[in-house]
Amino acid sequence: GENVEQHPSTLSVQEGDSAVIKCTYSDSASNYFPWYKQELGKRPQLIIDIRSNVGEKKDQRIAVTLNKTAKHFSLHITETQPEDSAVYFCAASNTGFQKLVFGTGTRLLVSP
Amino acid sequence: NAGVTQTPKFQVLKTGQSMTLQCAQDMNHEYMSWYRQDPGMGLRLIHYSVGAGITDQGEVPNGYNVSRSTTEDFPLRLLSAAPSQTSVYFCASSMTGGGGTEAFFGQGTRLTVV
Repeated sequence: GENVEQHPSTLSVQEGDSAVIKCTYSDSASNYFPWYKQELGKRPQLIIDIRSNVGEKKDQRIAVTLNKTAKHFSLHITETQPEDSAVYFCAASNTGFQKLVFGTGTRLLVSP
Repeated sequence: NAGVTQTPKFQVLKTGQSMTLQCAQDMNHEYMSWYRQDPGMGLRLIHYSVGAGITDQGEVPNGYNVSRSTTEDFPLRLLSAAPSQTSVYFCASSMTGGGGTEAFFGQGTRLTVV
């Protein structure tokens, strides 16, 4: 089955810096790659997703890139703000099976 | 439109007790799933359902049962609680169909087994 690895497990940046979180997946049939943000004590919420027919997607300060050949995808956050502090999860699925497999999460801390 | 609703929010069980975690969604989503979240291990899939009457196992199904008699409800049963089942449990739902769709999560149930 699918296996998703996520790095780093923790990331500390200064406000205004960029943050990059990387994930690799194992199943070449996976074709949907969402990113979720989970604030302390809250539920995970989708922030951006990408499908395998697209190499990059942007939404204001966040962007995701996908390299199908290497089987890795990354989340990029620019101009980080303290409210970006949270745990971020990547995930992958083969939409034919509708099962999301999550990475182990990255705790991002943005210091003022 | 309440989205995905889980009950209870907190629960303490004694080893060997059984209980049911409730999950309901009002978005007419076909796909529903249960995850457990443990420190450093992300979200792990327990069971999932692609529609009423259809369920299947995820990564960590042992010790849990599910059923899906209606589109709206997807309860998770702990048959005989063990301390290893202490965790935060999330229910999620999404539309099925090609291309992948957003999973909406409930607010979570924090379960402690003593």
